[in-house]
Amino acid sequence: EVQLVESGGGLVQPGGSLRLSCAASGFTFSSYEMNWVRQAPGKGLEWVSYISSSGSTIYYADSVKGRFTISRDNAKNSLYLQMNNLRADDTAVYYCAREGLGMGFDYWGQGTLVTVSS
Amino acid sequence: SSELTQDPAVSVALGQRVRITCQGDSLRSYYASWYQQKPGQAPVVVIYGKNNRPSGIPDRFSGSSSGNTASLTITGAQAEDEADYYCNSRDRSGNRVFGGGTKLTVL
Repeated sequence: EVQLVESGGGLVQPGGSLRLSCAASGFTFSSYEMNWVRQAPGKGLEWVSYISSSGSTIYYADSVKGRFTISRDNAKNSLYLQMNNLRADDTAVYYCAREGLGMGFDYWGQGTLVTVSS
Repeated sequence: SSELTQDPAVSVALGQRVRITCQGDSLRSYYASWYQQKPGQAPVVVIYGKNNRPSGIPDRFSGSSSGNTASLTITGAQAEDEADYYCNSRDRSGNRVFGGGTKLTVL
């Protein structure tokens, strides 16, 4: 069974940092592209970042470029999102999502809440 | 960056057909995927590619595309279909993008 489990969310002050993790199981992690997607309270889905299966190709949404860093460790079946210089508008539930080949985001984690507030 | 536009809200009578649309320039080059999200839950993909349903998704869900518009059609809407629906695609730069979402009410 495919499972994606996010962790690392919490309350952080503006300007602070947080590192999210996503533990993957039930599939060959190193074969799949992965993404982070967030959802602010009461708002829609917002794509945050993409990483290729090998980690060699990375994309970011303009809203996080220069502040967030996506990475992965295929040996540990884990995806990460390092978030620096956090702002109030980064407050959201952050989901990791597997991207199946031509299948869209076919599996999602349960999400982890990040709250940026003083 | 590209954008995908959806109607904020749509309603449908129980058992009737409803179409939810998604517009954007990137849809001329890339297929959309569609996601259903119920309150407090993670999104679930219901349609991907040209018109593909993942295992477990009822066949009342279907997808189509023409020009810069992708559509999700529910034929014979059920009460359990009441949810938020999002389209998603990518642009030539590789960036992924979501539409703003459509809240579907089943009357």
